[in-house]
Amino acid sequence: GAVVSQHPSWVICKSGTSVKIECRSLDFQATTMFWYRQFPKQSLMLMATSNEGSKATYEQGVEKDKFLINHASLTLSTLTVTSAHPEDSSFYICSAGDTYSNQPQHFGDGTRLSIL
Amino acid sequence: GEDVEQSLFLSVREGDSSVINCTYTDSSSTYLYWYKQEPGAGLQLLTYIFSNMDMKQDQRLTVLLNKKDKHLSLRIADTQTGDSAIYFCAENGGAGNNRKLIWGLGTSLAVNP
Repeated sequence: GAVVSQHPSWVICKSGTSVKIECRSLDFQATTMFWYRQFPKQSLMLMATSNEGSKATYEQGVEKDKFLINHASLTLSTLTVTSAHPEDSSFYICSAGDTYSNQPQHFGDGTRLSIL
Repeated sequence: GEDVEQSLFLSVREGDSSVINCTYTDSSSTYLYWYKQEPGAGLQLLTYIFSNMDMKQDQRLTVLLNKKDKHLSLRIADTQTGDSAIYFCAENGGAGNNRKLIWGLGTSLAVNP
């Protein structure tokens, strides 16, 4: 079964709306989670590293005020796309690895965001 | 800097073996991964290999690692149409699983009946 749950899987909303995406580790604790964005037929682009209890680390060119990340517990990170516009439409994916083991990271099923 | 390269496209006949190749630059990587992505779906961890291993086999999948040449390959035996997908190679650039992964651009595998 899924070890990383991402919700929602698909969201369509009007321009100007803020959208929150959740990423949960189901049976392990993750001090670090990662948020990616993927455009059609392209590879994943790392947006930011979500750190439990502290500020996220954003990759160059990613607006931190646009993409708000909160990692308030060891099993949940959220990405909020604020005042979304059509150019924010994309596939967003999170990943997490068990802090206390050396097992590889697992990915959520992704969230397809469509802004009209 | 860190980089992962892989060929972009591979086409095989159903029943043949597929070999997807990947090269990486970071010799400190402890994990090397293969992920599969079907159209419109998220990423599925197919298999991974520790950097101190040369080979790992898991049913139809065989991973070969040449650490000297920094070359990783994924062999799929008896390729089926359901194997058609994009396959991503990734490495974690160091010890521990809380590091950001460095990704290749993905190899699109087309399996022809």
